[in-house]
Amino acid sequence: AQKVTQAQTEISVVEKEDVTLDCVYETRDTTYYLFWYKQPPSGELVFLIRRNSFDEQNEISGRYSWNFQKSTSSFNFTITASQVVDSAVYFCALAGYNQGGKLIFGQGTELSVKP
Amino acid sequence: GAVVSQHPSRVICKSGTSVKIECRSLDFQATTMFWYRQFPKKSLMLMATSNEGSKATYEQGVEKDKFLINHASLTLSTLTVTSAHPEDSSFYICSARDPRDEQYFGPGTRLTVT
Repeated sequence: AQKVTQAQTEISVVEKEDVTLDCVYETRDTTYYLFWYKQPPSGELVFLIRRNSFDEQNEISGRYSWNFQKSTSSFNFTITASQVVDSAVYFCALAGYNQGGKLIFGQGTELSVKP
Repeated sequence: GAVVSQHPSRVICKSGTSVKIECRSLDFQATTMFWYRQFPKKSLMLMATSNEGSKATYEQGVEKDKFLINHASLTLSTLTVTSAHPEDSSFYICSARDPRDEQYFGPGTRLTVT
């Protein structure tokens, strides 16, 4: 079975603080993809990153960075110097290579960045 | 980038009526589209996989007679909520998979059944 767990339901930080959103996954597939999406109040999902299970290199994109660790089945997301515009719900998701593209989403973490 | 549209963005209907939601891939052909449902402050749950020219594959617990899915062309999938009831009120999101296996989400449709 596949499962994604985001243990943090809500996080509140003050602007300019760094914040890490945790994501732990379970899968029996040897090849899979991990994703992060941002969902602002408008509801539209914004794609942030896709990571192949064979690529454990950490990635940085501006203020965003991702730490993928297969040993702990985690794919954590860090926002550096958070801004009010980062306030949203963030979802981690998993897709097995042979699952036809079906995404399994975590419960989501609601991030609130206060000025 | 690829764009997926949904129509309508919001719909309010009376209990017992049926509602159709369209999902279109605007600049690519999508052999596969997915329908998700999201309750307030909850995660997205996959309802069904829609394949062009064949019957949709429903996830466990999703009533296929309640949620009719039609993937009539490579750019259009429709979800019809039949005999809607207040408990069907939700945010419905579609996604479309392009030939490179990239997946793009629509903006969602908020259904309210009164």
